[in-house]
Amino acid sequence: NAGVTQTPKFQVLKTGQSMTLQCAQDMNHEYMSWYRQDPGMGLRLIHYSVGAGITDQGEVPNGYNVSRSTTEDFPLRLLSAAPSQTSVYFCASSGRFGGHINSPLHFGNGTRLTVT
Amino acid sequence: QKEVEQDPGPLSVPEGAIVSLNCTYSNSAFQYFMWYRQYSRKGPELLMYTYSSGNKEDGRFTAQVDKSSKYISLFIRDSQPSDSATYLCAMSSLGLTGGGNKLTFGTGTQLKVEL
Repeated sequence: NAGVTQTPKFQVLKTGQSMTLQCAQDMNHEYMSWYRQDPGMGLRLIHYSVGAGITDQGEVPNGYNVSRSTTEDFPLRLLSAAPSQTSVYFCASSGRFGGHINSPLHFGNGTRLTVT
Repeated sequence: QKEVEQDPGPLSVPEGAIVSLNCTYSNSAFQYFMWYRQYSRKGPELLMYTYSSGNKEDGRFTAQVDKSSKYISLFIRDSQPSDSATYLCAMSSLGLTGGGNKLTFGTGTQLKVEL
């Protein structure tokens, strides 16, 4: 069971370039989310989705787009990379139980992005 | 002021020591309190969670919540080198995912258990 798979593991971009960070989960989880982790800042929510076709903004959504066309996949797009987007990005998913989001987040192993 | 404060460490202890990790918070609406463990270059994994106040024990790990003081703790007994990791506290007012709201994470405490 692969869990949450993120690709690529590492990426270097130049300012202004675009790219897509891939996230896939094989646990049939309805909830998926993207976090960024920066030193001294903790994990901060970028975007999340409670099901296919439904997405919403988190705490730090600017500069990022998401879509959710299938239950399994939740890609994160950087349209025009900036040095401030240098970070470690984590995708996380969670199942539902009894109508409430009451199962823990399962994280991928992250994508380390550097923007020069 | 951050909603959740956590001492970043690093904390270095000898093998077998009792470790105490702590977080303070300011939002009285938080009901779910979690501890995640994150090994180097890996994603966080849920270690323990507690709903509302009280203690919870799981093997060598004990989680405590004091809502009156807005203070949570994680104790590790008989610490092992394999416990060396960063420990993140996380909190929410709605479930272990935060529902439509986010989980609020601490910045993490780096722990090293030495032989």
